[in-house]
Amino acid sequence: DTGVSQDPRHKITKRGQNVTFRCDPISEHNRLYWYRQTLGQGPEFLTYFQNEAQLEKSRLLSDRFSAERPKGSFSTLEIQRTEQGDSAMYLCASSRERTEAFFGQGTRLTVV
Amino acid sequence: GDSVTQMEGPVTLSEEAFLTINCTYTATGYPSLFWYVQYPGEGLQLLLKATKADDKGSNKGFEATYRKETTSFHLEKGSVQVSDSAVYFCALSWGGGTNAGKSTFGDGTTLTVKP
Repeated sequence: DTGVSQDPRHKITKRGQNVTFRCDPISEHNRLYWYRQTLGQGPEFLTYFQNEAQLEKSRLLSDRFSAERPKGSFSTLEIQRTEQGDSAMYLCASSRERTEAFFGQGTRLTVV
Repeated sequence: GDSVTQMEGPVTLSEEAFLTINCTYTATGYPSLFWYVQYPGEGLQLLLKATKADDKGSNKGFEATYRKETTSFHLEKGSVQVSDSAVYFCALSWGGGTNAGKSTFGDGTTLTVKP
């Protein structure tokens, strides 16, 4: 098992463009989480899935953000009409029920 | 809601010095507690954990003890190395219920170890 995998590692986009990130969790993990981390801060929870069901969304997740996990395996996080304030590291994590989460290496988004 | 407060950094130490990074939490009940480490440009790696009061987590010479009386989980290492230079995050999460696995993090403490 290679752990949680995120793609791309880095993304530079112009303001107003849409971007999509992918996360492949550890294969036997049924829970998947997205976090956002800005410089000098700890990760902040965005949303989480149990299998294909999106069970919770943070208030941080504005209408421009959408996440999916269509078959309960990989997940995508899309940001529409990006803004400079969206620049951050987007972290994905996965876990089995009742165990700690394992994190991917993150996707660093820069909006110019 | 839940919160985690970490000692402010940055912390700069000489190699072989003793390290303490303080962490306290606020939560209703008894969550699981974690320390994660983040190297530049990388994601978070789990360093150690403790799931109940008085448990001691340990890994790679680092230790932390879950103290429910003081709601603390301070990270310690007896002799740091240059390779320990990184950002350290304290976090809590819940073992069960709808919030299981969802973590609340502190703001991180940057450690620099000089030769």
